Amino acid sequence: QQPVQSPQAVILREGEDAVINCSSSKALYSVHWYRQKHGEAPVFLMILLKGGEQKGHDKISASFNEKKQQSSLYLTASQLSYSGTYFCGTETNTNAGKSTFGDGTTLTVKP
Amino acid sequence: DTEVTQTPKHLVMGMTNKKSLKCEQHMGHRAMYWYKQKAKKPPELMFVYSYEKLSINESVPSRFSPECPNSSLLNLHLHALQPEDSALYLCASSQSGAFQPQHFGDGTRLSIL
Repeated sequence: QQPVQSPQAVILREGEDAVINCSSSKALYSVHWYRQKHGEAPVFLMILLKGGEQKGHDKISASFNEKKQQSSLYLTASQLSYSGTYFCGTETNTNAGKSTFGDGTTLTVKP
Repeated sequence: DTEVTQTPKHLVMGMTNKKSLKCEQHMGHRAMYWYKQKAKKPPELMFVYSYEKLSINESVPSRFSPECPNSSLLNLHLHALQPEDSALYLCASSQSGAFQPQHFGDGTRLSIL
């Protein structure tokens, strides 16, 4: 079943923060986050495995709450280069290797 | 530059044509994927090959036929496609399959006349 992402779209000014959420009705084992710019391939950002760990690099981090089957992607001090569509992909134990993607969140960062 | 290379980048074909999409990776990954992506939609999984064997087929119509000749190559053979098959076809690879990050190619933009 497809995970639900929110919000659908967000517009920011450079330097502002954003949070993108991904939730599922299924028990998840992993959550992947990707960013896709218009006309380009999705680019892997990070993966979180069951265990509730938080990951991050630079000013982008993510958390995974396995009790709520939710993941959040945190973008701090956003830059123009952060613009794009963010997808979460989820896997369950019974569908290992089969990522199902949410509908995406379009992030626009303006100067 | 992506480490997963797809050719051709663009393809226009008639409904009676036969063509193939090609995907290549040299990262030593053992899982490879085909996705279909329509405009403003997420990628939809079509096929997964794990260690050169087809492990997942998402009930894709038989006019799409995947092939994995070796661990670095993945093909998608197309025959008698319909206009609704026009989309961006993305190839991806991951180290060993489940619970691994996927690396995507730039895709082939396919138009069916």
